[in-house]
Amino acid sequence: GAVVSQHPSRVICKSGTSVKIECRSLDFQATTMFWYRQFPKQSLMLMATSNEGSKATYEQGVEKDKFLINHASLTLSTLTVTSAHPEDSSFYICSAFRDRGSTDTQYFGPGTRLTVL
Amino acid sequence: QKEVEQNSGPLSVPEGAIASLNCTYSDRGSQSFFWYRQYSGKSPELIMSIYSNGDKEDGRFTAQLNKASQYVSLLIRDSQPSDSATYLCAVGGMDSSYKLIFGSGTRLLVRP
Repeated sequence: GAVVSQHPSRVICKSGTSVKIECRSLDFQATTMFWYRQFPKQSLMLMATSNEGSKATYEQGVEKDKFLINHASLTLSTLTVTSAHPEDSSFYICSAFRDRGSTDTQYFGPGTRLTVL
Repeated sequence: QKEVEQNSGPLSVPEGAIASLNCTYSDRGSQSFFWYRQYSGKSPELIMSIYSNGDKEDGRFTAQLNKASQYVSLLIRDSQPSDSATYLCAVGGMDSSYKLIFGSGTRLLVRP
């Protein structure tokens, strides 16, 4: 299957700081990537759709000024959590969309566990 | 609102048995269907994808799709303790956003 990486895998930061998370598709080009958040014992919640070369599309209730997304190339999308607070502590997972025509599929990165003190 | 429903479980089966996981979806225009496996603390891993009515087999896994009933299932034959995880059903729509709608997942426990 396709490989998607995320960095860092785990980050602990102080309240008020900003954290950047990188998502890379290693063996295919991804014009579309997605960012999800998952709280303990809950399912994935889509935060935003990241499109290469254009602005991200945010889901309802997700603050675009707090969660900055940049999709600078066909293999890299970044999520920056600005002025992080303890309630932002969560498991952040990206996925990359691989367009194969009739058999398109999303492949997930390994996730980034963010802890805000 | 588009929804994907799964029984949260846990579904407990003995080792070697067949585990049957079910999922229903509300958007009749959905075109793509996926099963992901998620171990605790890890990200989802794609198990199966299915796009047309009928069965699709891959090793011990069989996905079944019935678009008329808006129903998709995953069968795991010869269940192993290592299959114990949460299984997420995901459905893709007809629009160009490529977004997937995820169910809340079914937790599977395979007893040794």
